[in-house]
Amino acid sequence: GEDVEQSLFLSVREGDSSVINCTYTDSSSTYLYWYKQEPGAGLQLLTYIFSNMDMKQDQRLTVLLNKKDKHLSLRIADTQTGDSAIYFCAESLPIYNQGGKLIFGQGTELSVKP
Amino acid sequence: DSGVTQTPKHLITATGQRVTLRCSPRSGDLSVYWYQQSLDQGLQFLIQYYNGEERAKGNILERFSAQQFPDLHSELNLSSLELGDSALYFCASSVDGGAQETQYFGPGTRLLVL
Repeated sequence: GEDVEQSLFLSVREGDSSVINCTYTDSSSTYLYWYKQEPGAGLQLLTYIFSNMDMKQDQRLTVLLNKKDKHLSLRIADTQTGDSAIYFCAESLPIYNQGGKLIFGQGTELSVKP
Repeated sequence: DSGVTQTPKHLITATGQRVTLRCSPRSGDLSVYWYQQSLDQGLQFLIQYYNGEERAKGNILERFSAQQFPDLHSELNLSSLELGDSALYFCASSVDGGAQETQYFGPGTRLLVL
């Protein structure tokens, strides 16, 4: 089935690294995404990884993908108070008629304490 | 700023009423998606359009309908509104709507049904 799971909360100290984990069930996913949602705001695309890659680094963000275990993680180095937000993992699945849809996890609320 | 615009930002209405949410995709994007974010269901895919034609349907209620116009903007119509329809409705767009395409999200329309 289509299911994406994330832990709901993560609290870290400013300057530490944050690691947000995600597991998914559907092996037909093409890309996996991380989106950020700040209070009262929309979904901001942070980064993504193609399903046949293991790792992608983008400045302070590192995405690791273990396709065998269907496990995705987002590491934020040197976490700042401005990183406090809800982080959503999403997998992109092909659907009929050459469409594509995103299946989202529940979101992980990251709280960064000074 | 993703380049996807949505209006209105907020909408307050009563049960039984009908509302229309509007979305303009990023310049050059042909495909539009609608998602609903609610406390109990999380982020769910509703429907996708590509170049004016419906491409795929997700968990969209029969009381809801959408269309994409020749200028590529899209409208989501919600009728016979119920309290449970209160949610944040997102529009996203991508270049041609395939599963390999990155979806960029608008700021959302927050609907409150009283």
